Amino acid sequence: NAGVTQTPKFQVLKTGQSMTLQCAQDMNHNSMYWYRQDPGMGLRLIYYSASEGTTDKGEVPNGYNVSRLNKREFSLRLESAAPSQTSVYFCASRSRGTISYTFGSGTRLTVV
Amino acid sequence: RKEVEQDPGPFNVPEGATVAFNCTYSNSASQSFFWYRQDCRKEPKLLMSVYSSGNEDGRFTAQLNRASQYISLLIRDSKLSDSATYLCVVNFPSGGKLIFGQGTELSVKP
Repeated sequence: NAGVTQTPKFQVLKTGQSMTLQCAQDMNHNSMYWYRQDPGMGLRLIYYSASEGTTDKGEVPNGYNVSRLNKREFSLRLESAAPSQTSVYFCASRSRGTISYTFGSGTRLTVV
Repeated sequence: RKEVEQDPGPFNVPEGATVAFNCTYSNSASQSFFWYRQDCRKEPKLLMSVYSSGNEDGRFTAQLNRASQYISLLIRDSKLSDSATYLCVVNFPSGGKLIFGQGTELSVKP
């Protein structure tokens, strides 16, 4: 099925461990986004990539890095996980000329 | 002040009720407005865009007041299947970024 695919769906990390969240879209969209969602906080933008080869910080970038590997893939890396990064992470993509997003199904991350 | 603020929830209503959600946004340069729906533990999905003249999609009506920087969503004849969290979403003028409100939870009871 066409859309945005995130892996893994669930992950438990120990404090200080690192990991990369993967996101891929097969809709030929130009822009891709990483959000985190915490209870009562809505979705907050971590990083985004307006087009292949570019990345920019969003509202809450601290503790994260991103790579726009190619047009399809946009990964999010936690170098040294902290309990405050326990959250649900959503990747989204958007086609040029539209505003609405297509979201992946999310990665539920717990840092203990 | 948060960029997008919504009514606090949850809203608990009986089937058939009419319920209204309100939202305000802070950036007067915003041009695009949406309501997204999010079911428990799932990804947000676009419910409808919001246009300046107001727009309707079946039982759902969205309104925009640019002067007051206010957006609303009205749901008529509520169904059990309408139970979800409704997110008010506004575009950030540069970069095509969307800013989400914290969401309002709706629970429709039999």
